[in-house]
Amino acid sequence: QKEVEQDPGPLSVPEGAIVSLNCTYSNSAFQYFMWYRQYSRKGPELLMYTYSSGNKEDGRFTAQVDKSSKYISLFIRDSQPSDSATYLCAIHGGSYIPTFGRGTSLIVHP
Amino acid sequence: DADVTQTPRNRITKTGKRIMLECSQTKGHDRMYWYRQDPGLGLQLIYYSFDVKDINKGEISDGYSVSRQAQAKFSLSLESAIPNQTALYFCATSDHKYTGELFFGEGSRLTVL
Repeated sequence: QKEVEQDPGPLSVPEGAIVSLNCTYSNSAFQYFMWYRQYSRKGPELLMYTYSSGNKEDGRFTAQVDKSSKYISLFIRDSQPSDSATYLCAIHGGSYIPTFGRGTSLIVHP
Repeated sequence: DADVTQTPRNRITKTGKRIMLECSQTKGHDRMYWYRQDPGLGLQLIYYSFDVKDINKGEISDGYSVSRQAQAKFSLSLESAIPNQTALYFCATSDHKYTGELFFGEGSRLTVL
């Protein structure tokens, strides 16, 4: 079992939908939780970063961490075609070397 | 110009050939990383370096070697390429010890025939 599990999709939704992307992890020492977005033919870029349990909001994006369940989520409200990309969760403890999920491919169609 | 530059961007080679992928950065970061990305497998860490004198193996280092020539340069070598090393390779840097945010290059696509 990988330390970080993420469904690769693809996830296809209509424009305007609310999108939920999720990861589970097994190592309770993980403390830092990140979401990267990767457009086709590009390197990943950090989208959201959270520490500890709870929610963090940035515009249309909300990152949620439930450490008791070892479950993290990224919600996208009012999804746009420009949100079509692969979303990778990344988690680490004190080493600052993240372990990545496999990435979920999201397609938002007009 | 990109902060993290990888060369070459695309390379096709034959089994048994030696290949070097180069990475240079202008971000002034101490930490540099090489990742491999395969469809459906996410990013796997090959090697990482926290400073010029520090080299560490990642989860899939077999068949690869690295050289940290300077703070800004980190090269990945495949001494004798094999077809299952066909993949997209990313170099990344970081300097945020607290968050561990990585800054990625645009990738080098390697095909081994």
